[in-house]
Amino acid sequence: AQKITQTQPGMFVQEKEAVTLDCTYDTSDQSYGLFWYKQPSSGEMIFLIYQGSYDEQNATEGRYSLNFQKARKSANLVISASQLGDSAMYFCAMTGGSYIPTFGRGTSLIVHP
Amino acid sequence: GAGVSQSPSNKVTEKGKDVELRCDPISGHTALYWYRQSLGQGLEFLIYFQGNSAPDKSGLPSDRFSAERTGGSVSTLTIQRTQQEDSAVYLCASSLAWGGRATDTQYFGPGTRLTVL
Repeated sequence: AQKITQTQPGMFVQEKEAVTLDCTYDTSDQSYGLFWYKQPSSGEMIFLIYQGSYDEQNATEGRYSLNFQKARKSANLVISASQLGDSAMYFCAMTGGSYIPTFGRGTSLIVHP
Repeated sequence: GAGVSQSPSNKVTEKGKDVELRCDPISGHTALYWYRQSLGQGLEFLIYFQGNSAPDKSGLPSDRFSAERTGGSVSTLTIQRTQQEDSAVYLCASSLAWGGRATDTQYFGPGTRLTVL
């Protein structure tokens, strides 16, 4: 069975600062994918970034990067130069042997001006 | 190209009534998922469709919930005899495939906010 753990229910960051949102996972699959989604107050889930279990380099997408530490089973999201529009819920998710993705409970990020 | 669309965006109904929620996935996406998200909560998996295979209904909370996908495209989630605990946002997502690869990336619709009075 797959499991995603997001231990930070809420995070605060100053505008223009960097912030790390934690995600740890557990799986017995050798091949799996890790995802981060953003859910603003409007409710829509927005795909941010993907990391494959066999990818040797950390994924990056603009201001988003995924700090993938396979041995520690962690897939933390790093947001650089935070903007007010980054305030939202952030969900970590994974897929693998099961076609049903596993989502974490989410982290609420608030960016202060 | 067009993303995932859902209708209606909001639905208010009375307890005991039936409701139908619609999802139009991204063209070419063979996998389609329905999720439920209660206020301030994470995503609860409901049902999964993959191509012409039998759907995985393991997440449906009761036999009042059913879903179908016609022609491998549009899907309808039906809730019969709605209860107040059914009030939630119902999200639909589609993806190219599954299997631990980038093609698993799910693209979500804007959701339908269901309120049962």
